[in-house]
Amino acid sequence: KAGVTQTPRYLIKTRGQQVTLSCSPISGHRSVSWYQQTPGQGLQFLFEYFSETQRNKGNFPGRFSGRQFSNSRSEMNVSTLELGDSALYLCASSLMTGPQETQYFGPGTRLLVL
Amino acid sequence: AQSVAQPEDQVNVAEGNPLTVKCTYSVSGNPYLFWYVQYPNRGLQFLLKYITGDNLVKGSYGFEAEFNKSQTSFHLKKPSALVSDSALYFCAVRPSTGGGNKLTFGTGTQLKVEL
Repeated sequence: KAGVTQTPRYLIKTRGQQVTLSCSPISGHRSVSWYQQTPGQGLQFLFEYFSETQRNKGNFPGRFSGRQFSNSRSEMNVSTLELGDSALYLCASSLMTGPQETQYFGPGTRLLVL
Repeated sequence: AQSVAQPEDQVNVAEGNPLTVKCTYSVSGNPYLFWYVQYPNRGLQFLLKYITGDNLVKGSYGFEAEFNKSQTSFHLKKPSALVSDSALYFCAVRPSTGGGNKLTFGTGTQLKVEL
């Protein structure tokens, strides 16, 4: 079974631009979560989607948004990019939503904001 | 709110020796605990999890972890380390109720296994 895929793998943007990252979960998985990984802040939860509905949201500004489609694929969008948004963005999928579920991570999208 | 502490930024071990990567947690109610490993330029790979039951959990690649409720710890162990185990290890926690799929991660421990 194919794993979680994320596109693009690498991205360079300039301040003020916006960016959209894509995530395709493992086949049959209905929950998708997004995390931001930076050297300074570590791994931080952005949001979770299940059945096209946002279930949880982390402490990020409204510039960070996401959505999930009926086939469980998910996108996250960051508007008005700032230098501090440079990070590895990780997507994780699980079969269902719930504390016992194991999340499986994709390889990430590395975003560099200049 | 839940939190995870990984007190060691780096652990050095000789190949063939046992290894331990430490993790302590704080959470309301019962914890669900996870270990992940990250290799350079890769995402996180799931190693093992504790939900309930036996305090010793066995996972992938020969790793195991021991849940200790009184010490609020969930240390990762392996009887005999391999050079290929060198990577960044993350402990994560979720409360048993609420929070959905959100994982709270520790800061990570860099494991270096030397010949």
